[in-house]
Amino acid sequence: KNQVEQSPQSLIILEGKNCTLQCNYTVSPFSNLRWYKQDTGRGPVSLTIMTFSENTKSNGRYTATLDADTKQSSLHITASQLSDSASYICVVSVPILTGGGNKLTFGTGTQLKVEL
Amino acid sequence: GAVVSQHPSRVICKSGTSVKIECRSLDFQATTMFWYRQFPKQSLMLMATSNEGSKATYEQGVEKDKFLINHASLTLSTLTVTSAHPEDSSFYICSAVRDFPSSYNEQFFGPGTRLTVL
Repeated sequence: KNQVEQSPQSLIILEGKNCTLQCNYTVSPFSNLRWYKQDTGRGPVSLTIMTFSENTKSNGRYTATLDADTKQSSLHITASQLSDSASYICVVSVPILTGGGNKLTFGTGTQLKVEL
Repeated sequence: GAVVSQHPSRVICKSGTSVKIECRSLDFQATTMFWYRQFPKQSLMLMATSNEGSKATYEQGVEKDKFLINHASLTLSTLTVTSAHPEDSSFYICSAVRDFPSSYNEQFFGPGTRLTVL
């Protein structure tokens, strides 16, 4: 079982509509939780980063929430645009106990398609 | 700021040949870089952690003699796929952790390299 589960697996919405993507994680402890956008054939681009003490973070039309008690996060996209079509990946950063630093655990992503 | 480049963006090679992929942090220094592999419709999978001036740390199941990593400077790490085979065809992505200023040990990702082995 993946330690970072995302839902839905894929989503189609009309341009201008809002949507919410979900992320549940089991990894513990964690340093921070990140949401990335990955266009097809490109590297991931960071949207938001939240530590366990933060419960919301916004970046333009993207708003992420975090409930560290229930280990759930969501990414809300408002007024969707065609260019929002991409894979959205939830990533949990786990501290490396020996040697320091962090290791990223990736969710499988939600494939979003925005249509006219 | 915090731009990471990869070269080449696409490469096609014959089975048995070696391919080198470069990962550069363009506007910051990165003691630590990471190499990932991504198969279609799957998550990024960490292959190895590259530290400047020392040997790379490979994840379980990744052959260090097949995937040679060199991190000779604070802005460049290279991944060489030796004796490539069709099953090595994948999307290879690197990331770099900015030394300073640092926040959350954030990893900045490169645009990826599509490797196709015929």
